[in-house]
Amino acid sequence: AQKVTQAQTEISVVEKEDVTLDCVYETRDTTYYLFWYKQPPSGELVFLIRRNSFDEQNEISGRYSWNFQKSTSSFNFTITASQVVDSAVYFCALRTGTASKLTFGTGTRLQVTL
Amino acid sequence: NAGVTQTPKFQVLKTGQSMTLQCAQDMNHNSMYWYRQDPGMGLRLIYYSASEGTTDKGEVPNGYNVSRLNKREFSLRLESAAPSQTSVYFCASSESTTNRRNQPQHFGDGTRLSIL
Repeated sequence: AQKVTQAQTEISVVEKEDVTLDCVYETRDTTYYLFWYKQPPSGELVFLIRRNSFDEQNEISGRYSWNFQKSTSSFNFTITASQVVDSAVYFCALRTGTASKLTFGTGTRLQVTL
Repeated sequence: NAGVTQTPKFQVLKTGQSMTLQCAQDMNHNSMYWYRQDPGMGLRLIYYSASEGTTDKGEVPNGYNVSRLNKREFSLRLESAAPSQTSVYFCASSESTTNRRNQPQHFGDGTRLSIL
């Protein structure tokens, strides 16, 4: 069985602070895929990034960066110099190599204030 | 724009009424999914269809039925709505062939359903 844990229910930061959202996953499959989605207050789900289990390279995209560590089964997401527009619920999700469905974490609500 | 289209966006039902949520995608994806989102519980899979002609139960299938009408369309039916089914429902689609499992799911904008 697969499981995704996002232990941080809600995080509040002041604009320009850096913030890291944690994601820990469990799977027995050796091939799997990890995803991050953003859900802004408008409600839609926006795909941010995916990572394959055989590719442990970290990735940076503008103010966003992702740290994938198989040794700790974690796929953490960092926002540098946060902005009010980053306020949203962020979901981490796992898909195993043999399945077509995603397992989602419960999400982390990020509130960025001025 | 290409994507996943859900209808309706909002609906209020009385307990015991039935209704069908519609979903269509124009990305030629093999797989389609229905989720429900409740506060503090993330997204939970109700049913999915790995390919045209097949459907399978997810985590929370009780009280729902689905129909994969064709490759584009996947509907979710509530036969006798209950207040516990008040939720936001999302439809999604993705590629699911072996060499495309790393592709993300694309989501519709959601249906906010209230059952009184």
